[in-house]
Order: sequence, then C-alpha cells, then structure tokens
Amino acid sequence: AQKVTQAQTEISVVEKEDVTLDCVYETRDTTYYLFWYKQPPSGELVFLIRRNSFDEQNEISGRYSWNFQKSTSSFNFTITASQVVDSAVYFCALSTWDGQKLVFGQGTRLTINP
Amino acid sequence: GAGVSQTPSNKVTEKGKYVELRCDPISGHTALYWYRQSLGQGPEFLIYFQGTGAADDSGLPNDRFFAVRPEGSVSTLKIQRTERGDSAVYLCASSARLDTGELFFGEGSRLTVL
Repeated sequence: AQKVTQAQTEISVVEKEDVTLDCVYETRDTTYYLFWYKQPPSGELVFLIRRNSFDEQNEISGRYSWNFQKSTSSFNFTITASQVVDSAVYFCALSTWDGQKLVFGQGTRLTINP
Repeated sequence: GAGVSQTPSNKVTEKGKYVELRCDPISGHTALYWYRQSLGQGPEFLIYFQGTGAADDSGLPNDRFFAVRPEGSVSTLKIQRTERGDSAVYLCASSARLDTGELFFGEGSRLTVL
C-alpha cells in the first residue's frame, strides 16, 4: 500500500526565513509520481509540482525548490526567503504509475509571520 | 467562471437523508476526480472519471456513495442515508492532460451531517 508521511504538523517562521517541509513516502511500485499541493485558506488546492520516480534531479522554481532522494524515500520542499503569502497548508502526495489516484499526506500548516 | 465550480458550498443535513453534491469542471477537461477531506487530514481519493465512465471507483467507502457524469462534463456525487461520519469537505478536481498530473481543484462542498 502507498503511504505519505508529513511529520511536521505545523511550522511557524518569521518572514524572510528559509523553511523546509519534509515528506517521506512508501510504495512498492517502481514507477510512481510525487506531488506537492498548496491549500490556502480559501480551500482550493493548488498544484505546485510533479516528479516521476525516474527523475531525481532537484528542481527550482523561483523561491521554491524540491529535493527528491529515492534512497531515503523523501521529497522535501524548501521555500527560500519566505513571505506572508506563503502561509497555507502544504500537502505532499504520491500516485500510482498512471498518475491518476493520489494518496496525500496529512499536510503541514505553514505560518509566515511578518 | 474559469475554474472548477462546486455547489453547494455548504450543506447541512440530518442523519439518514439523501444528499447530492455537484461539480462543474473546467470546460474541455476530460478527467474528473472526487476527493474527501476530513478536518485536519489530507484529501482522500473517492472516484475518477475519464469522460462519462468511472475509470476507478475504488475509493468510494461503501454502496451509499455513488457518482455520475452522464455527459462527460458535470458530475454529481450522491450520498444515501447519510451518517455523521460522512461529514467532510468534498473536493472535485478536473484535468485536461493525463500526462502532467496537474489537477485543478474546486473550493469544495462542506457537508455536515447532524
């Protein structure tokens, strides 16, 4: 069975600090996808990134970066120079080979204080 | 509107009643998904449609839950004989391309069963 663990329930930092959200996953599949979604107070989940299991290259998009390490089954997300607008609940998710059925972690509530 | 629309945004019902939740996906999106999110948890997969047919309904918890998408656009999630444990936010998402894994979520329908 697939499982995603986000051990950090809540994180609170001061604006401009860097913050890393941890994600550990379990799967027996050799082909799978990993995702990060952001859920702001409005409730609408917003797609951030998808990686496939064969691509372990780190990815950077502006202030966001992702570190995928198959050896430790982790897919961590770092926000550099955090801003108040980054405050939200962040979910890591894992899907089967076809990418259609996502298993989400419990989420990390991130609060950026001014 | 341009996004995924879900109605009603809030529904309060009594135990044992029948409920319908509607999802209007982004125009042209062929894939449609239903997820359920309980308080403090990550979304949980219920069912996914490709066109009019349910491609995977393995997440429906029992036979009180049913979903349809008769014309390949709007979908309705139907819950019979509601129970207090059905209280949650029901999220709908749609996708245009199966290969990107990017789901566009609505703001959800919050169901409260008294």
